[in-house]
Amino acid sequence: IVMTQTPLSSPVTLGQPASISCRSSQSLVHSDGNTYLSWLQQRPGQPPRLLIYQISNRFSGVPDRFSGSGAGTDFTLKISRVEAEDVGVYYCTQASQFPYTFGQGTKLEIK
Amino acid sequence: EVQLLESGGDLVQPGGSLRLSCAASGFTFSDYAMNWVRQAPGKGLEWVSVIDKLGGARHAEVVKGRFTISRDISKSTLYLQMNSLRAEDSAVYYCAKETANGGTLDYWGQGILVTVS
Repeated sequence: IVMTQTPLSSPVTLGQPASISCRSSQSLVHSDGNTYLSWLQQRPGQPPRLLIYQISNRFSGVPDRFSGSGAGTDFTLKISRVEAEDVGVYYCTQASQFPYTFGQGTKLEIK
Repeated sequence: EVQLLESGGDLVQPGGSLRLSCAASGFTFSDYAMNWVRQAPGKGLEWVSVIDKLGGARHAEVVKGRFTISRDISKSTLYLQMNSLRAEDSAVYYCAKETANGGTLDYWGQGILVTVS
């Protein structure tokens, strides 16, 4: 399954919203009825960190300014008000089907 | 607290072998599937291998036949045996834990660098 993210780069003003789209080449609905679409954040020099799982569930400790939505093949990560610590690369990833795959990454930077 | 600590990275010649380890703590290791994911310098993430709760293993096509994932439950340690290494295997390798019902990589190690040159 190919995961395609847009945009690949997103310059954002502090305090403003940001949105990243992710499209999969096939439906991500698993045979068990769940959709295993996650969003990861990778800050510079750091390992990836889970933000959102199963489309819209925030992981433990993730600020509520992060939200996920979508269904089937189209998904979105939104940041309601960008903060300086949000700088990094964001990846969507699917684990509904092997091999697990990742989007190319979207670089979020501050204007 | 979940902790994953990779080790074993090194500079190795093409055609050589290396074994990576990932020491896990803070959870019951045998109850979770574990993965290896790699990231070439300046590039994106690439899934490599998974071992499920029952010990079943899967590998990406690009490493199939060359890499083997395994685990030692008594040591709460995940391994990746890498043989016939190629320059394109150069990357930071992360171990990552899956959630209890699978389908989500919820905790990641700091990563370990493998350079094939």
